[in-house]
Amino acid sequence: RKEVEQDPGPFNVPEGATVAFNCTYSNSASQSFFWYRQDCRKEPKLLMSVYSSGNEDGRFTAQLNRASQYISLLIRDSKLSDSATYLCVVRAWGGNEKLTFGTGTRLTIIP
Amino acid sequence: DAGVIQSPRHEVTEMGQEVTLRCKPISGHNSLFWYRQTMMRGLELLIYFNNNVPIDDSGMPEDRFSAKMPNASFSTLKIQPSEPRDSAVYFCASSQNRITDSNQPQHFGDGTRLSIL
Repeated sequence: RKEVEQDPGPFNVPEGATVAFNCTYSNSASQSFFWYRQDCRKEPKLLMSVYSSGNEDGRFTAQLNRASQYISLLIRDSKLSDSATYLCVVRAWGGNEKLTFGTGTRLTIIP
Repeated sequence: DAGVIQSPRHEVTEMGQEVTLRCKPISGHNSLFWYRQTMMRGLELLIYFNNNVPIDDSGMPEDRFSAKMPNASFSTLKIQPSEPRDSAVYFCASSQNRITDSNQPQHFGDGTRLSIL
């Protein structure tokens, strides 16, 4: 089983719609969680950290369920510029900076 | 502000040749990471350094791969001899490691697209 699993998609969503991605992780000792975004042929960039209580950044909402080892990302009022691959990322424990990346979920927003 | 700088951007070489990838982290960052990305395996950590010291090299695929960080502003990833299966995009990333804050993001360079013929 992969350490971080994501639905690879692709998700093809009309502009203005709401879309949600899910991710599961296998290491129960994981402490930090992130969503990164990667545009085609570009480098990954941090989209947002994911906090235990859930957090929101504009149109983006991230949720964490430690009991189920599950992370989600919700995008509201999707824009064409949201088209990208979204990477779920997990950090095992505080003393090790190693990040484990999911293989990503590809999102295309359709005009 | 200058981000993470990698060179070369593209490299095409024949199998058996030595390949050296270079990385300059963001000034002031004390952790540096080398990743490899392929369609099949996604983004994989090869090795990371903290304060120029290798901390975790468990992702280095085999002895043909080596990485060094002689100072805080420079790192190399070397493949010798190279093989076609090494073809991938290699990313370097850096971050500022703080014990009191485990959520410091990693900032990635543009990557090196490596093709081994």
